[in-house]
Amino acid sequence: GQQLNQSPQSMFIQEGEDVSMNCTSSSIFNTWLWYKQDPGEGPVLLIALYKAGELTSNGRLTAQFGITRKDSFLNISASIPSDVGIYFCAGLVDSWGKLQFGAGTQVVVTP
Amino acid sequence: GAVVSQHPSWVICKSGTSVKIECRSLDFQATTMFWYRQFPKKSLMLMATSNEGSKATYEQGVEKDKFLINHASLTLSTLTVTSAHPEDSSFYICSARDPDRGRSQPQHFGDGTRLSIL
Repeated sequence: GQQLNQSPQSMFIQEGEDVSMNCTSSSIFNTWLWYKQDPGEGPVLLIALYKAGELTSNGRLTAQFGITRKDSFLNISASIPSDVGIYFCAGLVDSWGKLQFGAGTQVVVTP
Repeated sequence: GAVVSQHPSWVICKSGTSVKIECRSLDFQATTMFWYRQFPKKSLMLMATSNEGSKATYEQGVEKDKFLINHASLTLSTLTVTSAHPEDSSFYICSARDPDRGRSQPQHFGDGTRLSIL
């Protein structure tokens, strides 16, 4: 089956620094999604990518859909304390909406 | 935008009890909903796909008699953990998407249910 490799597993950064994480897959996805999960809550959609090569921004977040359709990255610029959480990449498996998730990247921001 | 509501948010019960978790799509009709299980510091693991008006599709290794799914209406899916035991303690999350916005629309997630079995 399709496997998503997400890295890094965790990041400890200072406020104001940029954050970068990525996901790679052994198979092609036609849609890549990035979610953020706060403790005790469900994931919240950050960015959706639908086209190979697409670069999309949402405020301080920027994500790209790799040309090969087997990878994606997410950047967070000028991190702030509320960026703390776990970030998940996900690939859309089928037309019904089934998702395959990466293992997550835990981001810790220190003042 | 699309909103998914999950209830209850926290359940603590004795071993042997059956527990029902509800997932509702608040402003759209969802023919398909998904149920996930998440262990601490781990990713979301898909348990089953809930289909309105038909049987759920379970992922490999998930006991369908243990985790009963009912999708009786276009806005409600329920997950019942039958005869729950401590090993069933986990964070359960549902998701749904608005099909009227196209097949590429992403899933929106409920806030999850923390299940603790004593």
